[in-house]
Amino acid sequence: SQQGEEDPQALSIQEGENATMNCSYKTSINNLQWYRQNSGRGLVHLILIRSNEREKHSGRLRVTLDTSKKSSSLLITASRAADTASYFCATDEMNDYKLSFGAGTTVTVRA
Amino acid sequence: NAGVTQTPKFQVLKTGQSMTLQCAQDMNHNSMYWYRQDPGMGLRLIYYSASEGTTDKGEVPNGYNVSRLNKREFSLRLESAAPSQTSVYFCASRSGGTKAFFGQGTRLTVV
Repeated sequence: SQQGEEDPQALSIQEGENATMNCSYKTSINNLQWYRQNSGRGLVHLILIRSNEREKHSGRLRVTLDTSKKSSSLLITASRAADTASYFCATDEMNDYKLSFGAGTTVTVRA
Repeated sequence: NAGVTQTPKFQVLKTGQSMTLQCAQDMNHNSMYWYRQDPGMGLRLIYYSASEGTTDKGEVPNGYNVSRLNKREFSLRLESAAPSQTSVYFCASRSGGTKAFFGQGTRLTVV
């Protein structure tokens, strides 16, 4: 089974609204990363949060990490049509270079 | 700025045929990865190479072999293709526990 699981699987919001998605994982990690994938394209890195960090911001993105619950959330504020994509969390396992992805959340931003 | 280059972009194989997917990166990264992406399954790790000369199995290695030819190149071989290997294959690279860079994918159909 996969290391990370995103929730919800799909999300549809109006332009200007916020989008929140969650990621749960199973093992101890060095860091957790979020990626975006536009339809049919490769993944693009969004943000990385280390295991000793609790919150990180990058532009309209806010990521939280709770290592005690083995969970993370990604918040996209003031969404735009261009934010329509699939979002994946990825975990860097402790003492390993393995990078494991979850199944992703598909976000649709309606104009 | 080539980044991660995958070849070919598209391929159709008959059941039982063999082929090699090529991946090359020009960013001097130590670690390289092969994933497959199926609808609703996110990215599943097939094999990875933490550094030149090493390879390790991921979640779904059966039916695949890999070769880390040198620091730049990491190939994925299907010895006897099966319809279950119809998928989009992504190669990625990175240095240490940092963000990964992805190729644009190879769309493989096995008939």
